[in-house]
Amino acid sequence: SSELTQDPAVSVALGQTVRITCQGDSLRSYYASWYQQKPGQAPVLVIYGKNNRPSGIPDRFSGSSSGNTASLTITGAQAEDEADYYCNSRDSSGNLVVFGGGTKLTVL
Amino acid sequence: QVQLQESGPGLVKPSETLSLTCAVSGYSISSGYYWGWIRQPPGKGLEWIGSIYHSGSTYYNPSLKSRVTISVDTSKNQFSLKLSSVTAADTAVYYCARQEDTAMVVGLDYWGQGTLVTVSS
Repeated sequence: SSELTQDPAVSVALGQTVRITCQGDSLRSYYASWYQQKPGQAPVLVIYGKNNRPSGIPDRFSGSSSGNTASLTITGAQAEDEADYYCNSRDSSGNLVVFGGGTKLTVL
Repeated sequence: QVQLQESGPGLVKPSETLSLTCAVSGYSISSGYYWGWIRQPPGKGLEWIGSIYHSGSTYYNPSLKSRVTISVDTSKNQFSLKLSSVTAADTAVYYCARQEDTAMVVGLDYWGQGTLVTVSS
């Protein structure tokens, strides 16, 4: 079982805003990073840390954190945002790397 | 542009050792960063296997620690994974990645395309 918990599936209407969450005790001490994975492809880092977007990632992707929950927000979701999204961070001890179970985003 | 490329056998027999190498281009491993291995069983989520610093310092997923060895060869600008005593449960796509690792955050910013390793006799 993962120390980071994500909803298995979320849907959003085209052009609307969606929030994908990641919960875990370690998130009270460490930031999460977020990855987008499309079928048959390697994951792509979309948010790193507090709210940093790597070069080339659209600004409709943003990150936030409160208490034990980290969130990835897509403002104005596009059809190409349909993918699996994973969070990752450290575990509660701070010594290991953990991933959430992933959230499948469907854009309607 | 940083690029990573996994290589190794796509089929491994049960009880044998899985061996993969990740060749890095566009960045010198000796310059810093951690370098990690991650796997993804078919239809399932991502699992961190372990990571290595350019100095050779390593840390591993406790669930795999007894079977995993990660090493680095800075002269070839590559790092490697060995997973011993494999079973069908080790069948997965294996990824290597560059790992930004600070006090407050861990992020994997460059990934290889992944290689499928099947454990079967």
